[in-house]
Amino acid sequence: AQKVTQAQTEISVVEKEDVTLDCVYETRDTTYYLFWYKQPPSGELVFLIRRNSFDEQNEISGRYSWNFQKSTSSFNFTITASQVVDSAVYFCAPESTSYDKVIFGPGTSLSVIP
Amino acid sequence: GEEVAQTPKHLVRGEGQKAKLYCAPIKGHSYVFWYQQVLKNEFKFLISFQNENVFDETGMPKERFSAKCLPNSPCSLEIQATKLEDSAVYFCASSQVGAYNEQFFGPGTRLTVL
Repeated sequence: AQKVTQAQTEISVVEKEDVTLDCVYETRDTTYYLFWYKQPPSGELVFLIRRNSFDEQNEISGRYSWNFQKSTSSFNFTITASQVVDSAVYFCAPESTSYDKVIFGPGTSLSVIP
Repeated sequence: GEEVAQTPKHLVRGEGQKAKLYCAPIKGHSYVFWYQQVLKNEFKFLISFQNENVFDETGMPKERFSAKCLPNSPCSLEIQATKLEDSAVYFCASSQVGAYNEQFFGPGTRLTVL
């Protein structure tokens, strides 16, 4: 079965600080996808990234970057120069290749203080 | 349409009443997924469809929950005889070829059972 650990339940940072959100997952699949979603206070889910388990290159998108380490089953997410608008709950979510659904982690609530 | 549409946005029911939620997937997407977010962070997969066929219903509490995706109609999730613990936000998502592709999420329906 898939399992996701997001060890940080809540994080607070001051605006412009960098922050890293940790994600460790368990899977018996050799091929899988990993997702990160953002859920701002308004409640909608915003897709951030999808990563194929074959591709271990780190990815950068603006202030966002992701570090995928297959050997340690981790897929960490870093926000550089955080902004108040980054305040949200962030979910790491591996895809269950056996059952074709997304398994959400427990989420990390990020508060960026002005 | 270009977005997943969910109606209604909010639904209030007395315990024991029926609740019906609707989801219109993005045009051309053949997979539909229903998720339940009970507490602020905790997501639970309920059911998925491939076109009008049930693909995976392992998350469905079958006694009171049912779902359909019929041709040329929005998909629906129905709860007979709602209970207090059914209070949650119900998200619908659609994707082109199962969860291997990005799942696009609707804005959710907040169900409150009193």
